[in-house]
Amino acid sequence: ETGVTQTPRHLVMGMTNKKSLKCEQHLGHNAMYWYKQSAKKPLELMFVYNFKEQTENNSVPSRFSPECPNSSHLFLHLHTLQPEDSALYLCASSQAEGESTEAFFGQGTRLTVV
Amino acid sequence: GQNIDQPTEMTATEGAIVQINCTYQTSGFNGLFWYQQHAGEAPTFLSYNVLDGLEEKGRFSSFLSRSKGYSYLLLKELQMKDSASYLCAPNRDDKIIFGKGTRLHILP
Repeated sequence: ETGVTQTPRHLVMGMTNKKSLKCEQHLGHNAMYWYKQSAKKPLELMFVYNFKEQTENNSVPSRFSPECPNSSHLFLHLHTLQPEDSALYLCASSQAEGESTEAFFGQGTRLTVV
Repeated sequence: GQNIDQPTEMTATEGAIVQINCTYQTSGFNGLFWYQQHAGEAPTFLSYNVLDGLEEKGRFSSFLSRSKGYSYLLLKELQMKDSASYLCAPNRDDKIIFGKGTRLHILP
């Protein structure tokens, strides 16, 4: 238990569906991240939120839409995805001010697009 | 740039010592993380180096040379449970950027 909880753990969706991934952290951190991990590829940073403000959008297609309503919750809204978007989506949080501390990861959502 | 280079795979024997090297080129460098990731699981934190030198933590040690853009993770007294991927991750402007990872295989 890392203090970062992601739901659902597994998701299968069609290309025309709309779904959302949820992340919640109980660590009092002020920065949250979405990463994508495809097979045999490194973890790819998708979005960063510091103090609820999006500070990074790493050239992610618009079919992925993040939302950070407060410093404890982070969502990733999905619509009209492609099969190549199938991957493990990991949420992480950290305390990002001054000297950084490590990021704590959730267990991830295994997404399959059919 | 953020080029992060580490070997794709390594093999070592139970009880032995292994060193995993990482070189990086990154602007806005603040420090370097090492994470461990078992198959199908989330990465877990191992170490964070900000200053040059060696940080020792039990069986694991991590070294950093900022001027050379170089780090290594040293694992001693290897155990079967150490079979995992080890991710080198520079901290760039408070964003953690991951390398492809080194898959470590431990033989009995």
